[in-house]
Amino acid sequence: NAGVTQTPKFRILKIGQSMTLQCTQDMNHNYMYWYRQDPGMGLKLIYYSVGAGITDKGEVPNGYNVSRSTTEDFPLRLELAAPSQTSVYFCASWGQGARNTEAFFGQGTRLTVV
Amino acid sequence: GEDVEQSLFLSVREGDSSVINCTYTDSSSTYLYWYKQEPGAGLQLLTYIFSNMDMKQDQRLTVLLNKKDKHLSLRIADTQTGDSAIYFCAENAGNNRKLIWGLGTSLAVNP
Repeated sequence: NAGVTQTPKFRILKIGQSMTLQCTQDMNHNYMYWYRQDPGMGLKLIYYSVGAGITDKGEVPNGYNVSRSTTEDFPLRLELAAPSQTSVYFCASWGQGARNTEAFFGQGTRLTVV
Repeated sequence: GEDVEQSLFLSVREGDSSVINCTYTDSSSTYLYWYKQEPGAGLQLLTYIFSNMDMKQDQRLTVLLNKKDKHLSLRIADTQTGDSAIYFCAENAGNNRKLIWGLGTSLAVNP
């Protein structure tokens, strides 16, 4: 199992550009999440999904969109990038059932908007 | 609302014990977690504790949970320079397994 894979690892965007951060997991997990981590801060939830075809907003969804057409993939779309979106983005997944007690995280995407 | 609080900095001498504290607000949390993050790196799950436990020990790590006070602590015995990192406390708010995170405690280990 590769676990949770995020691409790209690094990206620099100009203000107003758009991009998609990719996240895929091979553990057949129902739950998937996108968090952002601003410098010196903890993680904030952007969007999450409890299964294919279902997505919901987290604490800080403005400026982002997601889709979940398959169980494996949960891409995060940034439209009209702004400097405030400079952050490290973490994707995570979590299995269903009481035996699944932890989230699995990707290595992060470091995004700079200039 | 849901909130997790941690002290921001801790400095210890190599070989001493480190104790990192965390308070949380959601009494329905089923699991509480400690993650480690080294500079520029991802998140490493160190340990977690189920809400019906008081203590969990895992090698040099001891987690204490006081449910009444909603207080969680992580003790690192014989702290080494390799333990220098930011430590995050997180609670599973229960609803759809969303994690609520503290701001992180930056641990500096001095030789």
